[in-house]
Amino acid sequence: DIQVTQSPSFLSASVGDRVTITCRASQGNSSYLAWYQQKPGKAPKLLIYAASTLQSGVPSRFSGSGSVTEFTLTVSSLQPEDFATYYCQQLNSYHRTFGGGTRVEIK
Amino acid sequence: EVHLVESGGGLVQPGGSLRLSCAGSGFSFSNFRMNWVRQAPGKGLEWVSHISSGGLTMYYADSVKGRFTISRDNAKSSLYLQMNNLRDEDTAVYYCAREIPFLPQFDSWGQGTLVTVSS
Repeated sequence: DIQVTQSPSFLSASVGDRVTITCRASQGNSSYLAWYQQKPGKAPKLLIYAASTLQSGVPSRFSGSGSVTEFTLTVSSLQPEDFATYYCQQLNSYHRTFGGGTRVEIK
Repeated sequence: EVHLVESGGGLVQPGGSLRLSCAGSGFSFSNFRMNWVRQAPGKGLEWVSHISSGGLTMYYADSVKGRFTISRDNAKSSLYLQMNNLRDEDTAVYYCAREIPFLPQFDSWGQGTLVTVSS
């Protein structure tokens, strides 16, 4: 299986901060990487797919980049509603593995 | 509007069985691949299983292979997960998720159903 490693696992930030989360896949040959946001007690919400395409309705302060095995999610200016846990997911193989998650908390 | 609703969760003893269902509405169910994803209490997301749109191809995480079976009934717009020989570590919220083809992504999720394996 393709292993997906996310970093950091936790970060503390303030409203207005620029935040970057990294995701590394153990192997890959495409940009089939998605990012999700999850708030406590809720289902995950798709933010970005194909590494850099913003899902409809997602604010433009979210952006994604990268390819093959290294990817990043950036929030340009963190808003109060962005404090949540973020997951990346590789869809390059049919075993659609997730990263371990990054919890973003208010400093 | 796309809607996915899971059901069938509950408390079961180790070694027992449970069948989860996911009812889809608001879209042409038979055109989409579907997945099950689970989340143990306080833990991250774990992909469990995938089924093709026609129901002929299935994939499983190593942690459930040989114990869980994914299936679907496109006439009923429903997805299923038969879980046998359940273990304590299978305790989790189970989500069904719709997968978009070509540029794969899980664009719609159900609200989840809780499975608790305990004696």
